[in-house]
Amino acid sequence: SAVISQKPSRDICQRGTSLTIQCQVDSQVTMMFWYRQQPGQSLTLIATANQGSEATYESGFVIDKFPISRPNLTFSTLTVSNMSPEDSSIYLCSVDISGFSYNEQFFGPGTRLTVL
Amino acid sequence: AQKVTQAQTEISVVEKEDVTLDCVYETRDTTYYLFWYKQPPSGELVFLIRRNSFDEQNEISGRYSWNFQKSTSSFNFTITASQVVDSAVYFCALSEADNTDKLIFGTGTRLQVFP
Repeated sequence: SAVISQKPSRDICQRGTSLTIQCQVDSQVTMMFWYRQQPGQSLTLIATANQGSEATYESGFVIDKFPISRPNLTFSTLTVSNMSPEDSSIYLCSVDISGFSYNEQFFGPGTRLTVL
Repeated sequence: AQKVTQAQTEISVVEKEDVTLDCVYETRDTTYYLFWYKQPPSGELVFLIRRNSFDEQNEISGRYSWNFQKSTSSFNFTITASQVVDSAVYFCALSEADNTDKLIFGTGTRLQVFP
């Protein structure tokens, strides 16, 4: 498995501001992922972040709203830009530690975001 | 289209009861992967099991067991002799061979185990 940490663990933000969430892994991984879990809902993949390339976004998510950085094999950030109350969610990063053919994703503890 | 259905929104049991969480999936791929995750109140997702589509053997791990039935597209999860610590939301998920990194989650089943 992998030890994954996220900062902050929770935050309360004002409408119109931006928040950057950090994800740190204790080992080098190729694939990192960002998910959103809206209140009482399931998880939805926002984007896949590979080191050294642009993030790949899922339908319904755009780079201007959720810019992602992946500067090295152990770290990634997700920014939630120009926030509105609809962005209130838990944001989770995950990593695939086993390579392409095996697909085991482990999740961080999540960042609980409330937008007022 | 790919889809995961967890029809049970919430289940309540008393400690020591057995409980089965249902998961039905849809996919056109012949190669795919199925997962179960546990999300306790703390919010962290805990990986429980991965099963690939070519392995229909049922699996048992302590009080947990999984029943994979390709004929009914189901991957059900049973907890034997449930405990209060089993209280959590349980998610079933699917990924397909052409995009193994994209997990498609069901809506989750909230399990409450009362003492």
